Amino acid sequence: DAKTTQPTSMDCAEGRAANLPCNHSTISGNEYVYWYRQIHSQGPQYIIHGLKNNETNEMASLIITEDRKSSTLILPQATLRDTAVYYCIVRAFDQTGANNLFFGTGTRLTVIP
Amino acid sequence: NAGVTQTPKFQVLKTGQSMTLQCAQDMNHEYMSWYRQDPGMGLRLIHYSVGAGITDQGEVPNGYNVSRSTTEDFPLRLLSAAPSQTSVYFCASSRGKRNRETQYFGPGTRLLVL
Repeated sequence: DAKTTQPTSMDCAEGRAANLPCNHSTISGNEYVYWYRQIHSQGPQYIIHGLKNNETNEMASLIITEDRKSSTLILPQATLRDTAVYYCIVRAFDQTGANNLFFGTGTRLTVIP
Repeated sequence: NAGVTQTPKFQVLKTGQSMTLQCAQDMNHEYMSWYRQDPGMGLRLIHYSVGAGITDQGEVPNGYNVSRSTTEDFPLRLLSAAPSQTSVYFCASSRGKRNRETQYFGPGTRLLVL
């Protein structure tokens, strides 16, 4: 699975969009980009995933560059409850069904009132 | 649905003691896994299972055993606890085979080994 690079920490003003970058320059054609977040002391929570097209759901948007070497998670209007560690994970489809995730250290997002 | 449940929430062990961390899910998920998270670190995969009767090792399997006799349950056993196993343990599950599926995580078990 491709390695990812994320900033260690970021701040965002409440009500503003939070843009969290992720570099995955060694990504392969069959690897998906996943985002999870972990609010203090809780289990990680799935946010969104994509292959090459931009994706949007009720929580966030995922923008993947055309060369797929980087992506950005966008939280459109950050709230205090979005303060968490955000993990960008890249992995390929596994025929055996082993849905294993390999977490880095993520980006600690702090939403400021 | 209760989702993924873990017991106990918190446990203190002495070095050399054994214990079993329980994990259960009521979503009929084929895939289940155990992760550990040390302070300031991301989660690391210990063991996983793609279905009842099938288990395999992850990144950090040493010191841990698992079994999967039913679809619902995936217990993690520490045979002889060591201080290095002090960590927060998370169980996760997802629908299997189509592994682009969302993973659901339990609330975690905080283990302190003295």
